[in-house]
Amino acid sequence: AQKITQTQPGMFVQEKEAVTLDCTYDTSDPSYGLFWYKQPSSGEMIFLIYQGSYDQQNATEGRYSLNFQKARKSANLVISASQLGDSAMYFCAMRMGSGGSNYKLTFGKGTLLTVNP
Amino acid sequence: KAGVTQTPRYLIKTRGQQVTLSCSPISGHRSVSWYQQTPGQGLQFLFEYFSETQRNKGNFPGRFSGRQFSNSRSEMNVSTLELGDSALYLCASSLAPPRRNTEAFFGQGTRLTVV
Repeated sequence: AQKITQTQPGMFVQEKEAVTLDCTYDTSDPSYGLFWYKQPSSGEMIFLIYQGSYDQQNATEGRYSLNFQKARKSANLVISASQLGDSAMYFCAMRMGSGGSNYKLTFGKGTLLTVNP
Repeated sequence: KAGVTQTPRYLIKTRGQQVTLSCSPISGHRSVSWYQQTPGQGLQFLFEYFSETQRNKGNFPGRFSGRQFSNSRSEMNVSTLELGDSALYLCASSLAPPRRNTEAFFGQGTRLTVV
């Protein structure tokens, strides 16, 4: 069964600095997609970035980039130039590619990021 | 373009009662998935619907059920509520049946408290 591990329950960063949120995953399926979501205190899950298992380049979306190391099964999120509004829970998630129930999103436990002024 | 709408936002129910939660997906989206979020278990998949058919179901007891209507709106029902059902219930919609690269758009959730 697939599994996502986020080892940092909480992280602190100074405004305008970069921060890396760790995510490792476990799967034997060669086809999968990795997602990062942000969840502010309002509860809504906001999609940030996607990386496919066959993608050759690391994904980037504005201030977000994904450091994808396939051999190490890691997909760390890098936020550059942190802003106060980045304070939230961040979840790493995975979808498998083999169909059936594996298309569900499997989430990690999350990392609570606090950006200090 | 309106996002995913979940109603109600907050609910307080008594043990043993039943509850129905509603989710309206983004216009044009035909796939709806439901997730339960608790501090202890994190985010767990409940079920997924596409074109009024349940395609996948998570590992939850039969007290949890759902359905999808012809306009893609979805409801989930929990019968005989238990204290442990207290959670944030999140609905996600996507354009087509999820594949490995399918982005899911989430609503703000319904926070259910069972007392």
